[in-house]
Amino acid sequence: DAKTTQPNSMESNEEEPVHLPCNHSTISGTDYIHWYRQLPSQGPEYVIHGLTSNVNNRMASLAIAEDRKSSTLILHRATLRDAAVYYCILRDFIAGANNLFFGTGTRLTVIP
Amino acid sequence: SAVISQKPSRDICQRGTSLTIQCQVDSQVTMMFWYRQQPGQSLTLIATANQGSEATYESGFVIDKFPISRPNLTFSTLTVSNMSPEDSSIYLCSVESGDYEQYFGPGTRLTVT
Repeated sequence: DAKTTQPNSMESNEEEPVHLPCNHSTISGTDYIHWYRQLPSQGPEYVIHGLTSNVNNRMASLAIAEDRKSSTLILHRATLRDAAVYYCILRDFIAGANNLFFGTGTRLTVIP
Repeated sequence: SAVISQKPSRDICQRGTSLTIQCQVDSQVTMMFWYRQQPGQSLTLIATANQGSEATYESGFVIDKFPISRPNLTFSTLTVSNMSPEDSSIYLCSVESGDYEQYFGPGTRLTVT
């Protein structure tokens, strides 16, 4: 699987939007972009995934660059509960890659 | 979705002993995964366990050290054998759903003294 690059940490004020960037310049045409997050003392949880088009769900939005070499996870209104480590992961389902390769992720701190 | 439970939630063990971690899923799943998360680090995949076949181990992990059982579609165990302090980690199991989401258990926090 191609690798991703994320900032080590970010801060946001509560109730403000958060944009978490991810670079994946070596992404292949069959790589899906997945985001997971890990709250303190918990296992990771799925956030969102996409291939080419922007995606929205109840948790977040995923904006994918036109050349697919970068993406941004958008939390529309950060809450204290959103403080977590966010992982951007590429998965090639065509190649049968079912496992997740976790990089270092971005640690999000939400300031009350 | 899938709900996953793990036992034990935490344990303190002496070096040289073994610990078996159980992972129970509330639905039948084909693939289960075992991860390790060392203190302050990200997750690393140990192995993939399919029911009815041998587990597939990632580079750096061997069956003698981390034997895995997968007796049915809702259950798996991971044993950490002949433990040393370097095995102190959180061990997590996960399953893949049909919609490409992985669901993770709460983890087992292991401390080896």
